[in-house]
Amino acid sequence: GNSVTQMEGPVTLSEEAFLTINCTYTATGYPSLFWYVQYPGEGLQLLLKATKADDKGSNKGFEATYRKETTSFHLEKGSVQVSDSAVYFCALLYSTLTFGKGTMLLVSP
Amino acid sequence: GAGVSQSPSNKVTEKGKDVELRCDPISGHTALYWYRQSLGQGLEFLIYFQGNSAPDKSGLPSDRFSAERTGGSVSTLTIQRTQQEDSAVYLCASSEGAGTEQFFGPGTRLTVL
Repeated sequence: GNSVTQMEGPVTLSEEAFLTINCTYTATGYPSLFWYVQYPGEGLQLLLKATKADDKGSNKGFEATYRKETTSFHLEKGSVQVSDSAVYFCALLYSTLTFGKGTMLLVSP
Repeated sequence: GAGVSQSPSNKVTEKGKDVELRCDPISGHTALYWYRQSLGQGLEFLIYFQGNSAPDKSGLPSDRFSAERTGGSVSTLTIQRTQQEDSAVYLCASSEGAGTEQFFGPGTRLTVL
């Protein structure tokens, strides 16, 4: 079946540090890939997406590239802010979403 | 426009009671999904409605769980004879159609005592 594996957290960084959250997937065919973010006390929000191989999704300084050869969709940001502290979920989509376990990011001033 | 809404936002119930959770999708969205978010299991798919087709119930954890979607709009998730392991946040999402971006509601936090 389909599955998503992402690095366990929490990831603790200082402000302006570089962020990478790894995500790999197992799926038949070529699903769409997503990163969702859940800020403290809030619901799930779509952060970025990519629908085919080599696509790069980007939003709010975050980027992720759909890598078919490594079945990966790693999330990166060059300079994190305290306001980026949240839980990040990688997901793949066929008809329904399959999520990773989530990675908590804690950014300190 | 209005997003996905869910009610109640919080529900506390006693073990063995039945509960109903409601979801109002974005107007015009033909697809509706229920997911569950719990500490131990992360985010899990429960059930999916697409138009007038038979729902995909493959994610429902037991026959105590059921859902319906009336008139292609509002959906109700029912949990019968609740158990403590049912405690979780129940999330509803809708999308324009199959395989398109899903928009999530704020969730219902269910606590079974």
